[in-house]
Amino acid sequence: SQTIHQWPATLVQPVGSPLSLECTVEGTSNPNLYWYRQAAGRGLQLLFYSVGIGQISSEVPQNLSASRPQDRQFILSSKKLLLSDSGFYLCAWSPRDNSPLHFGNGTRLTVT
Amino acid sequence: SQKIEQNSEALNIQEGKTATLTCNYTNYSPAYLQWYRQDPGRGPVFLLLIRENEKEKRKERLKVTFDTTLKQSLFHITASQPADSATYLCAPRNSGNTPLVFGKGTRLSVIA
Repeated sequence: SQTIHQWPATLVQPVGSPLSLECTVEGTSNPNLYWYRQAAGRGLQLLFYSVGIGQISSEVPQNLSASRPQDRQFILSSKKLLLSDSGFYLCAWSPRDNSPLHFGNGTRLTVT
Repeated sequence: SQKIEQNSEALNIQEGKTATLTCNYTNYSPAYLQWYRQDPGRGPVFLLLIRENEKEKRKERLKVTFDTTLKQSLFHITASQPADSATYLCAPRNSGNTPLVFGKGTRLSVIA
């Protein structure tokens, strides 16, 4: 069966520090991969999605970036965090036929 | 621009009653629409998918309708229980390999 791993679960970082969140999927090949963010009291905001290695689409201009170095690995990064980057970050995958998304358990990021 | 509206941010109902949640969309021609459940601090979990040529879909106590003329989906939980308390998200999706965008969700509270 397929599983998705996302880490860390919680993270507290100072403003201006770098960020790296990692997500890996097991038990499937060529998945679509997604990063979403949920700010406090807000809906799910799509940040990035990828349909293949090295193929990244950005939905919202910001100081975040994403990379997909391997088929089942998706990384969210920032060189310098802002206070507004605080939120709940969720990684998700879906098969190529656009079946439902499967989410990880999320990373709660607090920028201080 | 594309827009997804879910009725009322919060809905309180008595245990045993039927909860009805509404999802309206504009500037979409969805091939299908998905409903997810999200518990606090967790990622969304897929519940039901309904296709454009389906009027109604059922799964245990859940029922979803899809009216492409009204551009609306209704999500019903019959004989609601306190364990049904959660935020419910809808996500219409056009055909093709497009990413999934979610409504802001409706927070349902079932009161014993």
